[in-house]
Amino acid sequence: AQRVTQPEKLLSVFKGAPVELKCNYSYSGSPELFWYVQYSRQRLQLLLRHISRESIKGFTADLNKGETSFHLKKPFAQEEDSAMYYCALSGRGSTLGRLYFGRGTQLTVWP
Amino acid sequence: DSGVTQTPKHLITATGQRVTLRCSPRSGDLSVYWYQQSLDQGLQFLIQYYNGEERAKGNILERFSAQQFPDLHSELNLSSLELGDSALYFCASSVGTSGRRVGNEQFFGPGTRLTVL
Repeated sequence: AQRVTQPEKLLSVFKGAPVELKCNYSYSGSPELFWYVQYSRQRLQLLLRHISRESIKGFTADLNKGETSFHLKKPFAQEEDSAMYYCALSGRGSTLGRLYFGRGTQLTVWP
Repeated sequence: DSGVTQTPKHLITATGQRVTLRCSPRSGDLSVYWYQQSLDQGLQFLIQYYNGEERAKGNILERFSAQQFPDLHSELNLSSLELGDSALYFCASSVGTSGRRVGNEQFFGPGTRLTVL
């Protein structure tokens, strides 16, 4: 069965510190992984997808198939990064398209 | 607004009642997804429509139903409401999932907050 686990509900760091939001998944196949972000009073929006292999707002995420992880990292956190972050998985075949979400990690970046 | 829109923003109703949530996808998007976000269950996929046809079902209760109309807007109907149905209901849209190997980016609406008293 598909499952996405974000072990940290809350994560706090100081501005300028590195940040890593953890995400582990289980899926019998080759999934597509995403990170979505929800800033205060805004809608959920896509931050990263693993197939793009790009850096958005200084964030990167690498898919590690051996460890079934897709951790989100940023070397120097900024106050404006404070938000709720969701890791999500999209399967293939009959489950193509639908997203399975983790429970989310609330990141707070202190000045 | 060319993004996904949802109405109403807030809905307060009583147990046993029926409500309809409405979603308009982004212009050109053929797929619509409904998700429920609650404190105990997190964000859960409910149902997907593609170009008017049901494509996939998730953890959707039998008391809930949805449809996508010819103009591609979608409605989620919730009936015989219970206290536990109180949640934020999100709609998302994407271009489509017609056999493509790679999933499409989903664009989310602002959500409808349903409170059942």
